[in-house]
Amino acid sequence: QAQLQESGPGLVKPSETLSLTCTVSDYFITSGYYWGWVRQPPGKGLEWIGSIYHDGSTYYSSSFKSRVTISVDTSKNQFSLQLSSMTAADTAVYYCAKDGGYGDFRDNWFDPWGQGTLVTVSS
Amino acid sequence: SYELTQPPSVSVSPGQTARITCSGDALPKKYSYWYQQKSGQAPLLVIYEDTKRPSEIPERFSGSNSGTMATLTISAAQVEDEADYYCYSTDSSGYHKLFGGGTKLTVL
Repeated sequence: QAQLQESGPGLVKPSETLSLTCTVSDYFITSGYYWGWVRQPPGKGLEWIGSIYHDGSTYYSSSFKSRVTISVDTSKNQFSLQLSSMTAADTAVYYCAKDGGYGDFRDNWFDPWGQGTLVTVSS
Repeated sequence: SYELTQPPSVSVSPGQTARITCSGDALPKKYSYWYQQKSGQAPLLVIYEDTKRPSEIPERFSGSNSGTMATLTISAAQVEDEADYYCYSTDSSGYHKLFGGGTKLTVL
């Protein structure tokens, strides 16, 4: 099955934009499924940020819609997250995951997941 | 806004049955899913579409969905099952994905 690996800076300054990349191996993104981002603040629960299809179609959580952009680079088999106006409240482990199932976005679930990357927002 | 509600903690002795609930108004129409997350690890899918179990998940894990409540049952729980468990589903439109607040399972 697909394997996912997040990469990006571990430290971001307040007000700056976070950029993370998820590299997918053992599966071509263009073969189907959505691909998503989920985060988890330290000691807290999981929160969906948004998902993207290989054609660039996106769905975003209303909690992030004003400051999130998810993009895909099919040539590199990667998808990326940009989250602007970062604050200390955005300190979290950020996970990428396959948002798949039987095709319809509304019926999908997250599996498998990357190992996650901790992003700290601090000056 | 729509929420999935889980108890913060559940505690059982080894060999007992652990039940973790998840309540949400859209659950009669939407599937529930369950993830296990051990300390420092990524979530692992243990139940999908209410009752189905991935092939690599032990048979002691099972799921059910009745009305507005989904339940994860771990029969004969083992110490290695200690983890946080999260339910996952969507709102009635299907376009808002969300997780429950998580339940810490203690087996000792």
